[in-house]
Amino acid sequence: SYELTQPPSVSVSPGQTARITCSGDALPKKYAFWYQQKSGQAPVLVIYEDSKRPSGIPERFSGSSSGTMATLTISGAQVEDEADYYCYSTDSSGNHRVFGGGTKLTVL
Amino acid sequence: EVQLVESGGGLVQPGGSLRLSCAASGFTFSSYWMSWVRQAPGKGLEWVANIKQDGSEKHYVDSVKGRFTISRDNAKNSLYLQMNSLRAEDTAVYYCARGDDIDYWGQGTLVTVSS
Repeated sequence: SYELTQPPSVSVSPGQTARITCSGDALPKKYAFWYQQKSGQAPVLVIYEDSKRPSGIPERFSGSSSGTMATLTISGAQVEDEADYYCYSTDSSGNHRVFGGGTKLTVL
Repeated sequence: EVQLVESGGGLVQPGGSLRLSCAASGFTFSSYWMSWVRQAPGKGLEWVANIKQDGSEKHYVDSVKGRFTISRDNAKNSLYLQMNSLRAEDTAVYYCARGDDIDYWGQGTLVTVSS
């Protein structure tokens, strides 16, 4: 079955840039989506279609994709950005969706 | 405002059944694919199933095929997940979500499979 691979954890100091990667064989042809999940809460969409930002999401959140890797970048990370982040995409058939394993972002 | 409210979770014995419901409001339900996603305690998100706008197309993760059935009633703006032959590993918070490219989530309902 198709898999998306993320690093388990990323740690930065406040104001630094955090980069979270997601690798998958189908990413050259399929969009990546990114969700933020804070403790005890439902996930929230922060990036869709590789690089688009929903309304209400701060400009410090950006996304990119190149080859088999998608990247979520948080420029000038804030303490309130501490959360689990998940990438999401589909296999090459387009019929089966999958989440990456999640990355715990620590900002301190 | 988009709202998705799940219900139907609870404690069930292994081998038992449960039907989850999701009441949708704030958007034209019949215009969207809909999805179910689950999260086991302390674990990551797992896509479970999705269904096309008219119910004509459904897809499932391999681990639930043959046991779970996703359905919808566009007249009632409702999404369902019938879960049969439940196992301990199905224990999770189950989220209803809008779209196959998910943009909104409900708050989830907890399903616990235990004797």
